[in-house]
Amino acid sequence: EIVLTQSPDTLSLSPGERATLSCRASQSVSASSLAWYQQTPGQAPRLLIYGASSRATGIPDRFSGSGSGTDFTLTISRLEPEDFAVYYCQQYGNSPGTFGQGTKVEIK
Amino acid sequence: QLRLQESGPGLVKPSETLSLTCSVSGGSISSSSYYWAWIRQPPGKGLEWIGSLYYSGSTYNNPSLKSRVTISVDTSKNQFSLKLSSVTAADTAVYYCARVWGSDGPGGHWGQGTLVTVSS
Repeated sequence: EIVLTQSPDTLSLSPGERATLSCRASQSVSASSLAWYQQTPGQAPRLLIYGASSRATGIPDRFSGSGSGTDFTLTISRLEPEDFAVYYCQQYGNSPGTFGQGTKVEIK
Repeated sequence: QLRLQESGPGLVKPSETLSLTCSVSGGSISSSSYYWAWIRQPPGKGLEWIGSLYYSGSTYNNPSLKSRVTISVDTSKNQFSLKLSSVTAADTAVYYCARVWGSDGPGGHWGQGTLVTVSS
C-alpha cells in the first residue's frame, strides 16, 4: 500500500499568515488521486480538495492544492481563526486508500 | 440534504463481533454515482480506511484487516453495515460512515462518527 508522510507534524502560525502543508507518497499517486481533509475536535473530517487541486463544494478560495506524482501541497493563503485544525491527506488512486498521519495547524 | 448516521453498541467485548449500521437519508444508497465507506480513527490518532461498498453489493476491503471485515447493504432500508470480527483493544476507535466517489475515496459526506470501545 502507499504510505503518505505529512510534514510538519505541527505548524504554529498566527491568523493572517500563510500555511504550507506537505504530503509525500511512497510511490506515485495515480491520476493525481489525492485529497485533503480538515478536522476540528469532535467533528468528522471535511473534504477540502480532491484530484490534488480541485476545491470541494463550498470551500473558500484561500485553500488551494497542488502537486503530482509523489509530492503534494496544501496552501492556506491567509489563516482565519476557524482554520486552526488538523489536516489529513489521502490517496485514493491505489487500493486501499490511505491517509497521512496529519498536520496540526495551531495558533502561535 | 444528505445525512448519514452511525448506530450500534458503544462497548464490545474482546473476541466478539463489532456491528454498526449507517442510515442514509436525503439521498438513495442505490445511486450509481457513489460508493459507501467505513473509516475509523483510534482516539487521538489518524484515520484508517476500512472498506467500501457499491449498491450492487460489491465490496472493497482493506487487506490490513484481512478477513475480519464484512460490509453489506440493505437497499430497502437505505442502510449499509459493518461487521468486524474477533475484536481486540486495538479496534477501539471512532467509526465513521461516508459517501465516497470511488471505491477508495474521496469522502464528500461523512456521518458524525460513533465511538466503539473494546473492553471486558
